[in-house]
Amino acid sequence: KNEVEQSPQNLTAQEGEFITINCSYSVGISALHWLQQHPGGGIVSLFMLSSGKKKHGRLIATINIQEKHSSLHITASHPRDSAVYICAVVSTSYGKLTFGQGTILTVHP
Amino acid sequence: KAGVTQTPRYLIKTRGQQVTLSCSPISGHRSVSWYQQTPGQGLQFLFEYFSETQRNKGNFPGRFSGRQFSNSRSEMNVSTLELGDSALYLCASRRQPSTDTQYFGPGTRLTVL
Repeated sequence: KNEVEQSPQNLTAQEGEFITINCSYSVGISALHWLQQHPGGGIVSLFMLSSGKKKHGRLIATINIQEKHSSLHITASHPRDSAVYICAVVSTSYGKLTFGQGTILTVHP
Repeated sequence: KAGVTQTPRYLIKTRGQQVTLSCSPISGHRSVSWYQQTPGQGLQFLFEYFSETQRNKGNFPGRFSGRQFSNSRSEMNVSTLELGDSALYLCASRRQPSTDTQYFGPGTRLTVL
């Protein structure tokens, strides 16, 4: 079992829909990252969380440390949100990033 | 402020050769991490350098090595290339090797024939 599991693996939505991507992890962590990767490879760091909730524009990220779970929400989705979303955790044991397999999001106009 | 730059962007090598990739971090960032991304394994951590010292290393064979210079620029080297080393190699920089946000470069796409 991977230390970081994301669901769903693939997600298709219509423009305007509310989207949720989930991330569960099995190790103790000091931080959790949400990353966005567009075709072509470039990665952008969206959020870094150690507790609670963060919001940036239409994106909201939450984390529940007790349940070892985080969610990324996109409100009013848009075709430009189409990308791979990757969850990554910094384990307290090793201090390095471990990545989920990513969620491929496609938003149709 | 300029972002993280990586050179070269694309590289084709043959099995058995060695390769050196370069990463220039954002000005003021002293931590540089390297990652390998393949379709099968996804993103995997290679190593992290801070102030010219390797802080962490992932589960990769000794053929993969790196270093960091006094100006924080970093290089990674892969010797005796194998077909399975074909991947996108990404570096990321941050001010401190803690829970700071990492900023990723565009990557170097390595193809081993």
